[in-house]
Amino acid sequence: GENVEQHPSTLSVQEGDSAVIKCTYSDSASNYFPWYKQELGKGPQLIIDIRSNVGEKKDQRIAVTLNKTAKHFSLHITETQPEDSAVYFCAAGFITQGGSEKLVFGKGMKLTVNP
Amino acid sequence: KAGVTQTPRYLIKTRGQQVTLSCSPISGHRSVSWYQQTPGQGLQFLFEYFSETQRNKGNFPGRFSGRQFSNSRSEMNVSTLELGDSALYLCASSPKSYNSGANVLTFGAGSRLTVL
Repeated sequence: GENVEQHPSTLSVQEGDSAVIKCTYSDSASNYFPWYKQELGKGPQLIIDIRSNVGEKKDQRIAVTLNKTAKHFSLHITETQPEDSAVYFCAAGFITQGGSEKLVFGKGMKLTVNP
Repeated sequence: KAGVTQTPRYLIKTRGQQVTLSCSPISGHRSVSWYQQTPGQGLQFLFEYFSETQRNKGNFPGRFSGRQFSNSRSEMNVSTLELGDSALYLCASSPKSYNSGANVLTFGAGSRLTVL
């Protein structure tokens, strides 16, 4: 089945620096790649997603890139702020044999932005 | 628009007991998925329900079960609790129609289960 690897597991940056989180997936049939942010005591919240027919997507300070050939995708956060501190999860979505879409998540990365 | 509501938020059980967790999806969302979140394993998929039918199931033992009602509300049950079942159980709803591929999940805040 699909397997999603996420690196690094923790990252600490200074406010204003950039942060990059990388994920790889195993199933070439995966076609949907969302990123979720989870703050302490809350559920994961979708921050950006990309589909396999697009190579890059931006939304203000965050951007996601997808390399289908290498089967990896990355989240880039520029000009980090303390409120960006959270756990970030990547996921890969694919169509099951039954015809429904299933998401497989990476194990998460804890980002700490130091003021 | 109300988000995904999960109850209870926190609960403590002892080994051997059973527990039922509840999830109310966003109004109009017909798909509900359940995930187990632990520090070492991240988010592990439990099952997904759509129109009261289980559509997908993860690799969990039969002690984990769920159901969905006609109003799309869902419950999951864990019987004969073990220490390793201690986790945050997350419910997510999606507006997708079956086979549409539009699987944008909105998560609830979760139910934190501690098994002693």
